[in-house]
Amino acid sequence: AQSVTQLDSQVPVFEEAPVELRCNYSSSVSVYLFWYVQYPNQGLQLLLKYLSGSTLVKGINGFEAEFNKSQTSFHLRKPSVHISDTAEYFCAALNNAGNMLTFGGGTRLMVKP
Amino acid sequence: DTAVSQTPKYLVTQMGNDKSIKCEQNLGHDTMYWYKQDSKKFLKIMFSYNNKELIINETVPNRFSPKSPDKAHLNLHINSLELGDSAVYFCASSHANSPLHFGNGTRLTVT
Repeated sequence: AQSVTQLDSQVPVFEEAPVELRCNYSSSVSVYLFWYVQYPNQGLQLLLKYLSGSTLVKGINGFEAEFNKSQTSFHLRKPSVHISDTAEYFCAALNNAGNMLTFGGGTRLMVKP
Repeated sequence: DTAVSQTPKYLVTQMGNDKSIKCEQNLGHDTMYWYKQDSKKFLKIMFSYNNKELIINETVPNRFSPKSPDKAHLNLHINSLELGDSAVYFCASSHANSPLHFGNGTRLTVT
């Protein structure tokens, strides 16, 4: 079985500051990892994905994440955030069979002016 | 040209009623899902269908019955609604080992 842990439930940050949202996964087999964003009262939108290859993955809206196998982490980063980045961010892991996506508990990013 | 569309967007109903939520995807994906998001934003898978066959059923009460008439549709029927069923329900679809595409959700409120 796999599990996904997002260590911070809320991350307040000032506009134009850098941010890192932490994600750790637990799995005995290889996993595929994703970050999704949910804006208020909306569905989930894919930010980026790691399937294989380069461990540094770039996504939309200036976000990037780094897959670290030894630390079983997939932290999300952005060098300079905007007010519009305020949203809920979810880390997720897809099992090998490709039919079950397990989500972390979510991190609310609050960008302040 | 919405990829994953679910209806209705909002559903308010009384305890004990039976209701359905519909989902359709036009992406040609072979796997569809229902997820439940509770008031604390936690997302949990309910069902997964592959080519109209049930693959995953995650300890969901029997009152919830998914139905997949074809690969492009996965509807969710709920009998005898309870207060605890209030949540946002998301439909999603995917192709093998690819990211899930989500609908915009159905906010169910049981009074």
